[in-house]
Amino acid sequence: DTAVSQTPKYLVTQMGNDKSIKCEQNLGHDTMYWYKQDSKKFLKIMFSYNNKELIINETVPNRFSPKSPDKAHLNLHINSLELGDSAVYFCASSQGLAGGNSGANVLTFGAGSRLTVL
Amino acid sequence: RKEVEQDPGPFNVPEGATVAFNCTYSNSASQSFFWYRQDCRKEPKLLMSVYSSGNEDGRFTAQLNRASQYISLLIRDSKLSDSATYLCVVPQYSGAGSYQLTFGKGTKLSVIP
Repeated sequence: DTAVSQTPKYLVTQMGNDKSIKCEQNLGHDTMYWYKQDSKKFLKIMFSYNNKELIINETVPNRFSPKSPDKAHLNLHINSLELGDSAVYFCASSQGLAGGNSGANVLTFGAGSRLTVL
Repeated sequence: RKEVEQDPGPFNVPEGATVAFNCTYSNSASQSFFWYRQDCRKEPKLLMSVYSSGNEDGRFTAQLNRASQYISLLIRDSKLSDSATYLCVVPQYSGAGSYQLTFGKGTKLSVIP
């Protein structure tokens, strides 16, 4: 029974296409995130949603559009894919807003979605 | 100083060795810190949280030095299964009551038989 599940696990597509990655968490957490891990293994936050509301939107091209239909789901849609978008995209969730001094704010990650743009 | 900085390694150590990693951070207001472990082609998983001066869990000890703004992770009696990348994570306040977790680039550990 996977806590944070994301699909697809692998995605290979051509430049210029539009694709979506879906994420669902069954932990009852209030906050969900999208992280990008590039070829150099650097993990960088892209977006954060708290109770369906966007709270963090890092400097990400507007070709990337997150959507949170409810607090258990956070999907990522990418338009006009470029070679540089190739990476592993991790969805994560936390009980509260990550940070602070509470142990409840640690992140639980999904298994990742490996996107390859040809 | 970079927000979160780690020695990338790799650290190649024999089984049974003791190994320590350091992580420095730039935001002196950060209160809590985390070590995550990431196996090859897997997701990061929480290893330890550090809220005060330190934390110990079995063979793993994390220590915090606020004055010098660094945290360390000590692994005693290394096992082959400890081979992974260890990520230092520091919350950065991003306004409006929210934080974002900033990840270091990770330190790669290989434990050799």
